[in-house]
Amino acid sequence: SQQGEEDPQALSIQEGENATMNCSYKTSINNLQWYRQNSGRGLVHLILIRSNEREKHSGRLRVTLDTSKKSSSLLITASRAADTASYFCATDAEETSGSRLTFGEGTQLTVNP
Amino acid sequence: DGGITQSPKYLFRKEGQNVTLSCEQNLNHDAMYWYRQDPGQGLRLIYYSQIVNDFQKGDIAEGYSVSREKKESFPLTVTSAQKNPTAFYLCASSIGAGRGYNEQFFGPGTRLTVL
Repeated sequence: SQQGEEDPQALSIQEGENATMNCSYKTSINNLQWYRQNSGRGLVHLILIRSNEREKHSGRLRVTLDTSKKSSSLLITASRAADTASYFCATDAEETSGSRLTFGEGTQLTVNP
Repeated sequence: DGGITQSPKYLFRKEGQNVTLSCEQNLNHDAMYWYRQDPGQGLRLIYYSQIVNDFQKGDIAEGYSVSREKKESFPLTVTSAQKNPTAFYLCASSIGAGRGYNEQFFGPGTRLTVL
């Protein structure tokens, strides 16, 4: 079952602009994570936000979490062509006690030079 | 260098054949996972293992089998019972459940094509 759903499915912006991607989920969670995947490669972990946190920063990344709305957003500021990739949210559901993650369908981000 | 490796990078299979995909990690992680990714889609969990000699079915286990005889290794066999096996297969590992952060570290993937 796919708990996380990202939107938009695809996003195309110019270098220097900000990119915002959203993720919605269905069940109570321990944490929510964001991953990046370059075409044909494995995923790379970007950031983890726990259920009792509302916002987290890492470099040009800002993640927010609203557990009342069961949603999260990933903001990439001052985007670069090298940020072109697919971005996935993944949820660690309370019911599975940290034993597995459930990934969403992803947002394909294209940053044009 | 610590990391997680998968082999081969590309694999071709004839219909009716079983094939085994390799996954090895030297991160001393307890948990390992296998995912399937179809074009333009997210990851679907096939099998996962929290500890040596134990594993659980994920969301799409039919037609697949695994073993976890060593902490470092978690091979996936795609059997002839898997009707549509052409996909990108990703292996991952994490420290383990109940250890706080459970971020996953991914291998580079194996692209399987059925001829």
